[in-house]
Amino acid sequence: EVQLMESGGGLVQPGGSLRLSCAASGFTFTNYAMGWVRQAPGKGLEWVSAIRGNGGTTYYADSVKGRFTVSRDNSKKTLYLQMHSLRAEDTAVYYCAKFSKIHDYGDDFDYWGQGTLVTVSA
Amino acid sequence: SYELAQPPSVSVSPGQTASILCSGDKLGDKYASWYQQKPGQSPVLVIYQDRKRPSGIPERFSGSNSGNTATLTISGTQAMDEADYYCQAWDSSTWVFGGGTKLTVL
Repeated sequence: EVQLMESGGGLVQPGGSLRLSCAASGFTFTNYAMGWVRQAPGKGLEWVSAIRGNGGTTYYADSVKGRFTVSRDNSKKTLYLQMHSLRAEDTAVYYCAKFSKIHDYGDDFDYWGQGTLVTVSA
Repeated sequence: SYELAQPPSVSVSPGQTASILCSGDKLGDKYASWYQQKPGQSPVLVIYQDRKRPSGIPERFSGSNSGNTATLTISGTQAMDEADYYCQAWDSSTWVFGGGTKLTVL
């Protein structure tokens, strides 16, 4: 059974930093690209970042480019999102999600974690 | 940047057919996916590659995509289908979501 478990969310002041983690199990982690998707309170889904299975290629939404860094440790089957210079508008539930396509980026996400809440406030 | 547009809300009576539209420039040239999200829960993929259903998704969920519009159709809608639905597509190394449609079954 595929499981994705995010952690690391919490309350942080504007301008602060936070690192999210996503522990994966139930599939061959290194074979799949992974992504982060966030959802502000009462709002829709927004794609944030994606990383290839070998960690070699990464992509970011314009809203987080230069502030967020996605990485992965395939030996630990864990995905990370390092967030710097956080703003109030970054407040959201952050989901990690697995791409459905093996060995490459795909068009869709077939499994999602339960999400972790990041609140940016003074 | 690429955008996908959805109606904010759709209403349907139990047992009837619900259609949720998603529009984007030349969306038919891309693959459209659809996600269901119930309150307090994570999104669930219900349609991928325009019309394919993941394992475990009921047959009453179907999809199509042509021109500038992708459509999620729920036949014989049940009360348990009440949820937010999001379309999604890939464009130029970005994964774009529509704004979401709240489906009310009444």
